[in-house]
Amino acid sequence: DTGVSQDPRHKITKRGQNVTFRCDPISEHNRLYWYRQTLGQGPEFLTYFQNEAQLEKSRLLSDRFSAERPKGSFSTLEIQRTEQGDSAMYLCASSWVAGLPDTQYFGPGTRLTVL
Amino acid sequence: RKEVEQDPGPFNVPEGATVAFNCTYSNSASQSFFWYRQDCRKEPKLLMSVYSSGNEDGRFTAQLNRASQYISLLIRDSKLSDSATYLCVVIYTGTASKLTFGTGTRLQVTL
Repeated sequence: DTGVSQDPRHKITKRGQNVTFRCDPISEHNRLYWYRQTLGQGPEFLTYFQNEAQLEKSRLLSDRFSAERPKGSFSTLEIQRTEQGDSAMYLCASSWVAGLPDTQYFGPGTRLTVL
Repeated sequence: RKEVEQDPGPFNVPEGATVAFNCTYSNSASQSFFWYRQDCRKEPKLLMSVYSSGNEDGRFTAQLNRASQYISLLIRDSKLSDSATYLCVVIYTGTASKLTFGTGTRLQVTL
């Protein structure tokens, strides 16, 4: 399967714990995005990378959130000291930028439940 | 006010019906427009881009009215498999292809 993959698919954790999610983009895609989706809402942008550089972060991304893409391939999203409000689906998308608005391909998401 | 607004529905229509969804966006500095489809508990998938001249893909027709900041999606001859949430998506100029989603409109096609 050459699509975007995310791991784990589901994560249940207790409030205050740290969690880390991984995203593997489509091979050769130079842009990688993270979005968060809560029930009944559309996805909301969190951050994006062009190659290994993190170029933008949403105000939704508090200090407890950190994302990396160390070699310009896979990315990780870490949430420290989780809160119940962090419960959501975390979606990763990747694209190949060639000057025009790029088509983003989404992974299946990681569903986080904070108890 | 949300940047991209949609009627959340649900729209319940019989098979074979024609259904239309509307979407309005607040930022006039908008560059690109899309409709995504999202099945229950799945990731969003691109349905179609929306162009000023209007565009059609089989049973699906998308329209854009920049003056009114309004986007529409028309589905003709609805199928059971069209049941999903349809997300209106905007990219604002200078935002590096960051997608701004509406809340989605849920469609349920019934026998």
